[in-house]
Amino acid sequence: EGQLVESGGGLVQPGGSLRLSCAASRFSFSTSWMSWVRQTQAPGKRLEWLGNIKQDGSQKNYVDSVKGRFTISRDNAKNSLFLQMNNLRAEDTALYYCARGAFGDSVFDIWGQGTMVTVSS
Amino acid sequence: EIVMTQSPLSLPVTPGEPASISCRSSQSLLHNNGYNYLDWYRQKPGQSPQLLIYSASTRASGVPDRFSGSGSGTDFTLRISRVEAEDVGVYYCMQGLQTPTFGQGTRLDIK
Repeated sequence: EGQLVESGGGLVQPGGSLRLSCAASRFSFSTSWMSWVRQTQAPGKRLEWLGNIKQDGSQKNYVDSVKGRFTISRDNAKNSLFLQMNNLRAEDTALYYCARGAFGDSVFDIWGQGTMVTVSS
Repeated sequence: EIVMTQSPLSLPVTPGEPASISCRSSQSLLHNNGYNYLDWYRQKPGQSPQLLIYSASTRASGVPDRFSGSGSGTDFTLRISRVEAEDVGVYYCMQGLQTPTFGQGTRLDIK
């Protein structure tokens, strides 16, 4: 069964930057669409899809709330997915998951355990 | 943006009894290929979400057959035929027809 492990979360000040990583194993990473999803912690623990990246990195899609601030990239040689987050805001505070899948015909069938990002002064 | 609305938001269930969660979308999720792009996920306490049902009614690998999904267009339902203690968690529907959006989640607890 495939595995995803996120890292790189932490406390950052508003306006700051952070780069999250996601290490994939036990499945064919290079042939998989990959996505980032975040979950606010309170109230209600809402899930929000942030964006995805095609197998070869040639196509990326983002939700409007992070366009221009967040960038998804990947390194297939290292089975790794990344999320560069710039100009962070308090409302970006959440648990960030990487997941295999794009949406539509490509469902989110493997999820990591998440890495927590807190934006606060 | 397609808005997903779940009900109820809280669902206490006696073990062995059935349970049902409703999910409605603000637009039809029926693609012209005949598939409804509606998925169900369960998040057990302290864990990440897990795929249960995709394309409205297809169980994911390893999901027990007491879980079933139905519906088309804008109205969908997740049913558990006999709830077990391990089913505790938050259930989310998600549309994958356009930029994915999730429902608010339904918390299932054991009475």
